Amino acid sequence: DQQVKQNSPSLSVQEGRISILNCDYTNSMFDYFLWYKKYPAEGPTFLISISSIKDKNEDGRFTVFLNKSAKHLSLHIVPSQPGDSAVYFCAASDLGSSNTGKLIFGQGTTLQVKP
Amino acid sequence: ETGVTQTPRHLVMGMTNKKSLKCEQHLGHNAMYWYKQSAKKPLELMFVYSLEERVENNSVPSRFSPECPNSSHLFLHLHTLQPEDSALYLCASSHRQGRQFFGPGTRLTVL
Repeated sequence: DQQVKQNSPSLSVQEGRISILNCDYTNSMFDYFLWYKKYPAEGPTFLISISSIKDKNEDGRFTVFLNKSAKHLSLHIVPSQPGDSAVYFCAASDLGSSNTGKLIFGQGTTLQVKP
Repeated sequence: ETGVTQTPRHLVMGMTNKKSLKCEQHLGHNAMYWYKQSAKKPLELMFVYSLEERVENNSVPSRFSPECPNSSHLFLHLHTLQPEDSALYLCASSHRQGRQFFGPGTRLTVL
């Protein structure tokens, strides 16, 4: 049973427009959510995170929104740039019950930003 | 450069071979992780070490054997693997509940 799902395997947007990547989760105990970005032949790199006590966190062009009632989070990238083309992973953690920072990952969404 | 290194970057091995993957972190973290990433699947957590003690083993077959001799080094010993074990193996480290920093991964092919 997959607790974190990214239902869109791929997304293509034009440079300068907004990219919206979505993630759904099933475990209501998750209290910390992260987005990672992965280029080919590299490991995932941290992008942005949000605690369950917030509904929005912004860092430059990247904003993460959390809707706890819908168990849904999204990553907005605006404006999108060709260098943003990568695989984006959503991850969740239950910090309240885990002392190891264990993360559950989604399958990833491949974003292509066209010049 | 994330401060987490992995060697080798690529490995091809036969089903009867024994090999080891190495991970080293230079970030002063006290938790280390092994993940497996197969094509079109989520990253699967394999093992978690916290303060050099294995605290999680996610039903991983015994042909994978982790070792954490100190807080900076993590190994994954491989023996009698199967072709379906071919995947990208990622190491990560963190402070106990902090965000994880990943290495570049080892691309493993089992013939």
